[in-house]
Amino acid sequence: KQEVTQIPAALSVPEGENLVLNCSFTDSAIYNLQWFRQDPGKGLTSLLLIQSSQREQTSGRLNASLDKSSGRSTLYIAASQPGDSATYLCAVLTYSGGGADGLTFGKGTHLIIQP
Amino acid sequence: EAEVAQSPRYKITEKSQAVAFWCDPISGHATLYWYRQILGQGPELLVQFQDESVVDDSQLPKDRFSAERLKGVDSTLKIQPAELGDSAMYLCASSSAHGANYRETADFGPGTRLLVL
Repeated sequence: KQEVTQIPAALSVPEGENLVLNCSFTDSAIYNLQWFRQDPGKGLTSLLLIQSSQREQTSGRLNASLDKSSGRSTLYIAASQPGDSATYLCAVLTYSGGGADGLTFGKGTHLIIQP
Repeated sequence: EAEVAQSPRYKITEKSQAVAFWCDPISGHATLYWYRQILGQGPELLVQFQDESVVDDSQLPKDRFSAERLKGVDSTLKIQPAELGDSAMYLCASSSAHGANYRETADFGPGTRLLVL
């Protein structure tokens, strides 16, 4: 059974810092890996999707990398802003006999950017 | 921009009562998911539909939960009877991905927050 772990569980940094969020998964038979953002009490917003054949994806100040063989991904946030404060969730889409299972999520990293 | 719709947004009920949640996926999305997210945790898959068929309901507590997608479009998730431990956010997501072409992300709705008293 796929398991996804995110480190750290919480992070608080001053505005302007660059930061890295970590995600690891136990089963490397994945279709893709996604990073989501969740604001308190809200649904999920997809930030970046990396296909299993890709190494990284970039969107603005965000860069996500994927090392499928080692079961690791990182989300790099450059020049953090108070508006980046949210919970960041990592999720993988895993192979199964009948196609793909639903996304397996980590517990998230709760990020606070101090003004 | 098309969005996944869910209703109600909030539901308060007493234990042993029945509750139902509704989801309308993005038009044309054949795959629909229901997830449950307990406070402080990541979402966990409850059920996955491909069109009107259940693909995976292995994590659905079938003694009290049921889900249907009769015409392969909108979907209903029901809990009867509700228990205190069912308090959570219930998220619906849809995707156009099928077969081996999982290049599209799943789009998530705003969720239904359930509180069981």
